[in-house]
Amino acid sequence: KNEVEQSPQNLTAQEGEFITINCSYSVGISALHWLQQHPGGGIVSLFMLSSGKKKHGRLIATINIQEKHSSLHITASHPRDSAVYICAVSPMDSNYQLIWGAGTKLIIKP
Amino acid sequence: DAGVTQSPTHLIKTRGQHVTLRCSPISGHKSVSWYQQVLGQGPQFIFQYYEKEERGRGNFPDRFSARQFPNYSSELNVNALLLGDSALYLCASSRLRTGPYEQYFGPGTRLTVT
Repeated sequence: KNEVEQSPQNLTAQEGEFITINCSYSVGISALHWLQQHPGGGIVSLFMLSSGKKKHGRLIATINIQEKHSSLHITASHPRDSAVYICAVSPMDSNYQLIWGAGTKLIIKP
Repeated sequence: DAGVTQSPTHLIKTRGQHVTLRCSPISGHKSVSWYQQVLGQGPQFIFQYYEKEERGRGNFPDRFSARQFPNYSSELNVNALLLGDSALYLCASSRLRTGPYEQYFGPGTRLTVT
């Protein structure tokens, strides 16, 4: 079993829909990261959080440490949001590496 | 400020050859990490260097090696290439020595081994 699991693996939605991507992890963490990867390969960090909730524009990330679960929400989705969204964790016993989920491929249709 | 840069962007090698990938971190960042991303999977941690010292190594064979230079740029070397080494190799830099910290990623080098 992977230490970081994401769902769904693939998600197709219509423009304007509210999007939720889920991430569960099984290790103790010091932080959880949400990252975005576009088809060209470049990765952009969206959020790093260790508790509660963070918001940036139309993106919202939440984390429940007790349940070892995080969600990434996109409000008023747009075709330019189409990308792979990856959840990664900084494990407590290793400050220097990230453990990554497999990613969720999101396609927003106009 | 320039972001993290990597070179080359693409290359094709033959089984058994060796390859050197290069990474220049964001100015002021002393930490460089390397990741391998096989198609359809999330990245896998290979190495992290901070101020020229290896701070961590993932579960990769000794064919993989890296180093960091005084200007904090880094090289990843892979010897005796295998078909399974075909992947996107990502470099990330950060300011901090200890985590958790936000990492800034380069565009990656896509390696194809034939």
